[in-house]
Amino acid sequence: DQQVKQNSPSLSVQEGRISILNCDYTNSMFDYFLWYKKYPAEGPTFLISISSIKDKNEDGRFTVFLNKSAKHLSLHIVPSQPGDSAVYFCAALFGNQFYFGTGTSLTVIP
Amino acid sequence: EAGVVQSPRYKIIEKKQPVAFWCNPISGHNTLYWYRQNLGQGPELLIRYENEEAVDDSQLPKDRFSAERLKGVDSTLKIQPAELGDSAVYLCASSLVGGVEQYFGPGTRLTVT
Repeated sequence: DQQVKQNSPSLSVQEGRISILNCDYTNSMFDYFLWYKKYPAEGPTFLISISSIKDKNEDGRFTVFLNKSAKHLSLHIVPSQPGDSAVYFCAALFGNQFYFGTGTSLTVIP
Repeated sequence: EAGVVQSPRYKIIEKKQPVAFWCNPISGHNTLYWYRQNLGQGPELLIRYENEEAVDDSQLPKDRFSAERLKGVDSTLKIQPAELGDSAVYLCASSLVGGVEQYFGPGTRLTVT
């Protein structure tokens, strides 16, 4: 039972343009949503989070949007840079349990 | 500040052999997680510790997997005996109690042949 889904396995974007990564979830009781970034042979690195009571959180080039009615969140990266090329995981927190999506591989083309 | 340390980084063993992974969390982080990540999948929780206590081990295959966190700091995850399906990356993460942000180690890539 996959409670957090990332339906796009990969995404390619030109440098300087916007990258939009999407995530859907099924459990309306999730407290927090998070995005992690993962480079090859490294562990995931926390990127940004959003509380379930908010609909937007921004940190520099990264903005996360939460649409609770659609049970959907997205990560916007503007402008995209080649160093952003990585696998991005969304995760959701319920109580003390984290649920991860399957990841989206982002390639930023110089 | 040092991050989460894991060793070994890579391990290749034959099936039916035992294997152990070690994790040293960030200093002061009372909560420690062990995850397994299969290829093309997200991390899946195996066990979560609050200090020395395993507070969630419902996803740990207890017939072959065991874990311990002596003194509430370092932790060891063991598989005995290993099976081919255990090939995966084993990730350790830590956080403050009740913290939203987890810090992951680099993982141990296990290959069972």
